Amino acid sequence: GAVVSQHPSWVICKSGTSVKIECRSLDFQATTMFWYRQFPKQSLMLMATSNEGSKATYEQGVEKDKFLINHASLTLSTLTVTSAHPEDSSFYICSARDIGRTVDTQYFGPGTRLTVL
Amino acid sequence: QKEVEQNSGPLSVPEGAIASLNCTYSDRGSQSFFWYRQYSGKSPELIMSIYSNGDKEDGRFTAQLNKASQYVSLLIRDSQPSDSATYLCAVNLYLGGDSSYKLIFGSGTRLLVRP
Repeated sequence: GAVVSQHPSWVICKSGTSVKIECRSLDFQATTMFWYRQFPKQSLMLMATSNEGSKATYEQGVEKDKFLINHASLTLSTLTVTSAHPEDSSFYICSARDIGRTVDTQYFGPGTRLTVL
Repeated sequence: QKEVEQNSGPLSVPEGAIASLNCTYSDRGSQSFFWYRQYSGKSPELIMSIYSNGDKEDGRFTAQLNKASQYVSLLIRDSQPSDSATYLCAVNLYLGGDSSYKLIFGSGTRLLVRP
């Protein structure tokens, strides 16, 4: 089956520092990856769509200069939270789109829990 | 109106019963539909995908799609306590252009299976 990994699985950082999260599709190529954020007891919120070789598309209200996305290869997308603050503490989840299946399907990574002190 | 609507629950069923989870969507042009399961503190896990009207069965799970009524459901037979989780309905929303689309999620239904 389609496997998506994320690294790190959790991170604790000081306010003002930057944190990079990696998302990899392990057994398929993903021209499109998605970044979500989920606060406790709330729904998944799509932050941005990451397209290989082009600029990411950000959802309304998401600061593109704060959440930097790079999708340099067909198996890797990165999300960098710049100058993180406590309100950025959340569960960040990526997904990758596997277009090789009968039904175009998204598979999720295990998530990265970010805590900003 | 939300694009994908689900009852937040919790839906409580006894062990061994059938759990029925429902979802409605607003975009009549949507073609593919998904059910994800999310345990507390974990990321969503794909359970079923469906894109044709009717039923699709996979083990204890059956997805049902009615495009005319814009309705998707998930039935879980012989429910087990380990099925207790939040179930997310998701619909592909085509944005136009070259393969441009995104998944729209419902807010999820919390299922509790009582031993």
